[in-house]
Amino acid sequence: DAKTTQPTSMDCAEGRAANLPCNHSTISGNEYVYWYRQIHSQGPQYIIHGLKNNETNEMASLIITEDRKSSTLILPHATLRDTAVYYCIAPTGFQKLVFGTGTRLLVSP
Amino acid sequence: GAGVSQSPSNKVTEKGKDVELRCDPISGHTALYWYRQSLGQGLEFLIYFQGNSAPDKSGLPSDRFSAERTGGSVSTLTIQRTQQEDSAVYLCASSLGQTTDTQYFGPGTRLTVL
Repeated sequence: DAKTTQPTSMDCAEGRAANLPCNHSTISGNEYVYWYRQIHSQGPQYIIHGLKNNETNEMASLIITEDRKSSTLILPHATLRDTAVYYCIAPTGFQKLVFGTGTRLLVSP
Repeated sequence: GAGVSQSPSNKVTEKGKDVELRCDPISGHTALYWYRQSLGQGLEFLIYFQGNSAPDKSGLPSDRFSAERTGGSVSTLTIQRTQQEDSAVYLCASSLGQTTDTQYFGPGTRLTVL
């Protein structure tokens, strides 16, 4: 798996956009970037993934730089329920997911 | 549609007892994965099933741990002679089956060994 680096924690005001960065400078051409999150005491929840192009779904948007060395997960209108640990991963052969420490996002009123 | 389900949600047992944890994957998902997560730690891969066979058991921490899958669907993770260090949240995930397919997780079983 490509090594990913994320800030340890971030704060966001409710209703604002939360932009969570991830560096993956060693990513190879066929490795996707995946984002999961884990709300306290729950199983990891899949959010979004992408290879080269920017992606958007009902939960979030994923912006990947042209050189693919970094990406940003965007929660357009963060709510209190978005408080969680967010994991950015770039698995090789997807069989064993390895989560790092992730970014602890705190959304405040 | 229904997601991955796991039972029980919580299990408290005494050291030395055997426990069985169950996972029901998403219908149609041929791949099934078991992980565990100790308090404040990351995911630890245990075992992977493709259909009923387990091509990768490399993560099972000892021979006290075993898993089976029947009918290409339900899986059971068994821990024999439980130890206190087995206390963790045991997570199950499933995917369509290709190595690049997204894994979807269940809510987990919290195991506490007294």
